Amino acid sequence: DAKTTQPPSMDCAEGRAANLPCNHSTISGNEYVYWYRQIHSQGPQYIIHGLKNNETNEMASLIITEDRKSSTLILPHATLRDTAVYYCIVRAGGSNYKLTFGKGTLLTVNP
Amino acid sequence: KAGVTQTPRYLIKTRGQQVTLSCSPISGHRSVSWYQQTPGQGLQFLFEYFSETQRNKGNFPGRFSGRQFSNSRSEMNVSTLELGDSALYLCASSLQYDFRRDNEQFFGPGTRLTVL
Repeated sequence: DAKTTQPPSMDCAEGRAANLPCNHSTISGNEYVYWYRQIHSQGPQYIIHGLKNNETNEMASLIITEDRKSSTLILPHATLRDTAVYYCIVRAGGSNYKLTFGKGTLLTVNP
Repeated sequence: KAGVTQTPRYLIKTRGQQVTLSCSPISGHRSVSWYQQTPGQGLQFLFEYFSETQRNKGNFPGRFSGRQFSNSRSEMNVSTLELGDSALYLCASSLQYDFRRDNEQFFGPGTRLTVL
């Protein structure tokens, strides 16, 4: 699986959009971009994933650049409960379901 | 629909003992994966099971083992516990073995193991 690079920490004001970047310059054509988050002492929570096109669900939007070397997770209206470590992961489709977690980005939403 | 459940939630053992952790996946999910999380190493993949077969294994010593039952429930066992095995052990389940668009993994709350 390709490796990812994320900033170690970010701050965001409550109610504002949080934009979390991820670099995955060595991503392969069959690798998906996944985002998970982990609130302190809880199990990771799935947020969203995509291959080439931008994706949106009830939690967030995922913007993937045309060359697929980077992506941005957007939380449109961050709340205090969105404070968590956000992990960007690339994973190849196929037989092995193994997520390789990096260190992630600690997003702190401030009142 | 109930989420992934793990038992026990907290466990204290001493060095040299063995421990068995249990995971019940979401109903209908057939793939179960295990992860270890420590402050130093972060989240690391242990192994994945599908239909009672281990499909993938991480880079952990043979003291770490697992199995999956016909009802998809899974257990992991750690023998001869070491202080460094103190960690949060997370179980995750997913619907299919073959990758599908909606085949994300759902994580349980974890079992916090402390080795004294």
